[in-house]
Amino acid sequence: DQQVKQNSPSLSVQEGRISILNCDYTNSMFDYFLWYKKYPAEGPTFLISISSIKDKNEDGRFTVFLNKSAKHLSLHIVPSQPGDSAVYFCAASGGKLIFGQGTTLQVKP
Amino acid sequence: DTEVTQTPKHLVMGMTNKKSLKCEQHMGHRAMYWYKQKAKKPPELMFVYSYEKLSINESVPSRFSPECPNSSLLNLHLHALQPEDSALYLCASSQRLAASYNEQFFGPGTRLTVL
Repeated sequence: DQQVKQNSPSLSVQEGRISILNCDYTNSMFDYFLWYKKYPAEGPTFLISISSIKDKNEDGRFTVFLNKSAKHLSLHIVPSQPGDSAVYFCAASGGKLIFGQGTTLQVKP
Repeated sequence: DTEVTQTPKHLVMGMTNKKSLKCEQHMGHRAMYWYKQKAKKPPELMFVYSYEKLSINESVPSRFSPECPNSSLLNLHLHALQPEDSALYLCASSQRLAASYNEQFFGPGTRLTVL
C-alpha cells in the first residue's frame, strides 16, 4: 500500500518556464511534508518542507503548495534552470519518512 | 556544520567478506538512519537509532548489523551479503526521531557492489 504517490515518473520543461511536480498521499495523519532533490550517485538533498497547518511555503525559486482536503501537494520551480535536472522525491513525515517513487525532472536549455 | 559524511564512497565485496560502512554527523542530531536505495527507487528505511538506541528495524536480514558507538557515529556491519544487496546505502540524521518538524539530512551514500 503506497501511502505517498508521485504519479508522473518524468517531466520535461524548457529553461525559464515553470516546473510543477505533484504528489498525493492517503494518510490524513501525516502532518509534515518534505521535498528532496537527488542527483545520480548522491544522497538526497533537502529542498523545502511544509507543515499541515499551512497551505504554502516559499523559498526562493521553490514553492510548495498543500491542499489537505485533496491530500495533494505540489512543488513549483520558477524559473526552471538546467541545474534543476534531477530526481525529486516528496516525503511525508509520520514519525519516519515515507517517500514517493520520485519524478525525474529534465530542464532543457 | 550541516554535513553527514559516509565512508567509503564505493565498496566491492565478495559474498564471504565482512566489511563495515561508516557514517558521521556533527550537527548534534540524536536520530540517525540507514537507508538502502536501488536505482530509480525511493530510499528504503532499514534502521533507526534514537539517542544511540536502536528504535526501528524494518525487518532487515541479520547479515546487516547496525551499531551506534556514540551520538555522532553510525556503522553498518556487513557479512555474507548476496548480490541482490548491491545498492546505494544512505545514512541520514535528524534532530530527534519523534518530532514531526524534523528534516532528515542525508549523506552522499556508499555504492556497494556484492560479487
